[in-house]
Amino acid sequence: DQQVKQNSPSLSVQEGRISILNCDYTNSMFDYFLWYKKYPAEGPTFLISISSIKDKNEDGRFTVFLNKSAKHLSLHIVPSQPGDSAVYFCAASDGTNAGKSTFGDGTTLTVKP
Amino acid sequence: NAGVTQTPKFRVLKTGQSMTLLCAQDMNHEYMYWYRQDPGMGLRLIHYSVGEGTTAKGEVPDGYNVSRLKKQNFLLGLESAAPSQTSVYFCAAQRGPQETQYFGPGTRLLVL
Repeated sequence: DQQVKQNSPSLSVQEGRISILNCDYTNSMFDYFLWYKKYPAEGPTFLISISSIKDKNEDGRFTVFLNKSAKHLSLHIVPSQPGDSAVYFCAASDGTNAGKSTFGDGTTLTVKP
Repeated sequence: NAGVTQTPKFRVLKTGQSMTLLCAQDMNHEYMYWYRQDPGMGLRLIHYSVGEGTTAKGEVPDGYNVSRLKKQNFLLGLESAAPSQTSVYFCAAQRGPQETQYFGPGTRLLVL
């Protein structure tokens, strides 16, 4: 039973447009959510996070929205740039359990020039 | 400040051989993790450690062992490699609960 799901394996957008990546979770104990970005042949790197006490967190071109009632979060990138092309992983943790995060399978974003 | 480093970057093993993957961090973080990533899948937790001298099993621990004798190092061992262990292995370090994980560059392992 996958507790964190990214239902879109891939997404393609035009440069300058908005990219929206989605993530759903099933465990209501999750209260901290993160997005990581991964380029080929590199390890994932932290992008942005959100605590369950908030419904939005913004950092430059990146905004994460959290809808607790729907157990859904999304990452908005605007405007999208070709350098944003990467795999994006959603992760969730519950503040206990040795700080462990549960990861989704990732969404491959391609931004076309 | 190198962050998290992994050794080796790439290795080919024959079935039944053993090897140890080394993860080192210079951030003085308490928590360390070993993941594997297979094509089209996310990161699956193998083992983790919440401090020097402690280890615990994650989601997919079978066939692996770990040790954390020093705070900065987390070793992942394969006693008898199997083709199913062909994967990319990532190590991560984290300061504490609900903090960011810092990942190493990965080790690509091929078991023939």
